[in-house]
Amino acid sequence: EIVLTQSPATLSLSPGERATLSCRASQSVSSYLAWYQQKPGQAPRLLIYDASNRATGIPARFSGSGSGTDFTLTISSLEPEDFAVYYCQQRSNWPTFGQGTKLEIK
Amino acid sequence: EVQLVESGGGLVQPGRSLRLSCAASGFTFDDYAMHWVRQAPGKGLEWVSGISWNSGSIGYADSVKGRFTISRDNAKNSLYLQMNSLRAEDTALYYCAKDIQQWLVKDAFDIWGQGTMVTVSS
Repeated sequence: EIVLTQSPATLSLSPGERATLSCRASQSVSSYLAWYQQKPGQAPRLLIYDASNRATGIPARFSGSGSGTDFTLTISSLEPEDFAVYYCQQRSNWPTFGQGTKLEIK
Repeated sequence: EVQLVESGGGLVQPGRSLRLSCAASGFTFDDYAMHWVRQAPGKGLEWVSGISWNSGSIGYADSVKGRFTISRDNAKNSLYLQMNSLRAEDTALYYCAKDIQQWLVKDAFDIWGQGTMVTVSS
């Protein structure tokens, strides 16, 4: 099983700031990594797939990068609605998820 | 509108069985692999099981292997999860999710249902 480790566990920032979230895989997943956003009481929403492709309807302030074992989700300028929990997921093998990063308002 | 609607959750005693269903609409169901993902209260996401468009490829998380069975009925646009020998640690919100790309079986999930809650307790 491929283990995904996300860091930090919690990130405290203010609206307008830049957010950088990390996901590290226990072995190479090539570019087969996705990012999701989940708000309380809601299902997860796909943001990025295959490391850097934005899903339909996702704002341009969300971007993904990386390959192999190290990946980054960047939110260029935080909007109030961006404060949520973010998960990474690999599809190199049967899927696994990271443990999540909570992005909270500072 | 593309939609997934789960049903079949509830309160069940340890060791008993439950069958979840997911009704799909708004897309060509038999073109896509489908998955079950669960989330225990206050915890993260855990992939449970996935099935290819033609049921030819099936996978399970180690935590449910041998106890859960995934299936689909393309004629009914429906996905199922038969859960046997349920344990307290299976308590979670169970989501049905669709692959983003056609014909793959291991992919990102672009459409999610709202989930059905399963509580395993005596």
